Amino acid sequence: DQQVKQNSPSLSVQEGRISILNCDYTNSMFDYFLWYKKYPAEGPTFLISISSIKDKNEDGRFTVFLNKSAKHLSLHIVPSQPGDSAVYFCAASANTGNQFYFGTGTSLTVIP
Amino acid sequence: EAQVTQNPRYLITVTGKKLTVTCSQNMNHEYMSWYRQDPGLGLRQIYYSMNVEVTDKGDVPEGYKVSRKEKRNFPLILESPSPNQTSLYFCASSLRTGLDYTFGSGTRLTVV
Repeated sequence: DQQVKQNSPSLSVQEGRISILNCDYTNSMFDYFLWYKKYPAEGPTFLISISSIKDKNEDGRFTVFLNKSAKHLSLHIVPSQPGDSAVYFCAASANTGNQFYFGTGTSLTVIP
Repeated sequence: EAQVTQNPRYLITVTGKKLTVTCSQNMNHEYMSWYRQDPGLGLRQIYYSMNVEVTDKGDVPEGYKVSRKEKRNFPLILESPSPNQTSLYFCASSLRTGLDYTFGSGTRLTVV
């Protein structure tokens, strides 16, 4: 059973606009969340994280928001650039756990 | 350069022929893990290792073996590969459990 879900397989956005990628989770024990970015023929690379004690974390153009009551997180990319075109995975872990659980990924295309 | 190195990148094999995918990291990370990525299923953990000589099953361990004799290496062994093990495999490591992973570039395995 998928504990981390990304319900949008793909997203297209115009360059310069905001990209919003969404992720839902079911396990209330999850307390640490990550976003990874993956280009074709490469492994995923770490993008940004958030702990459950926060509801927002920013790093340059990337901001992750966490809504614990809704078990939902989102990644905002502003402004979107063509180089942001990639597959984005969200992942979650519990403090007592030994792994990260990954979503199925959202393929973002930024149109120049 | 800090990295996780997997070999081979691509492999086509026949059912039942034993194979090993190697994984090596040069960051002195304690934690290592293997994931497989399949369409619509995201990344699923196969096995993980918290340290030398300490390994444990992830969510999809059937048909796989691992070993951790040295800190830097974590090979994935398929004793008798079957077509349902055709997948994209990623090795990952982190300083310790619960921290973000560094991924290898992936191994695309096809079992015919």
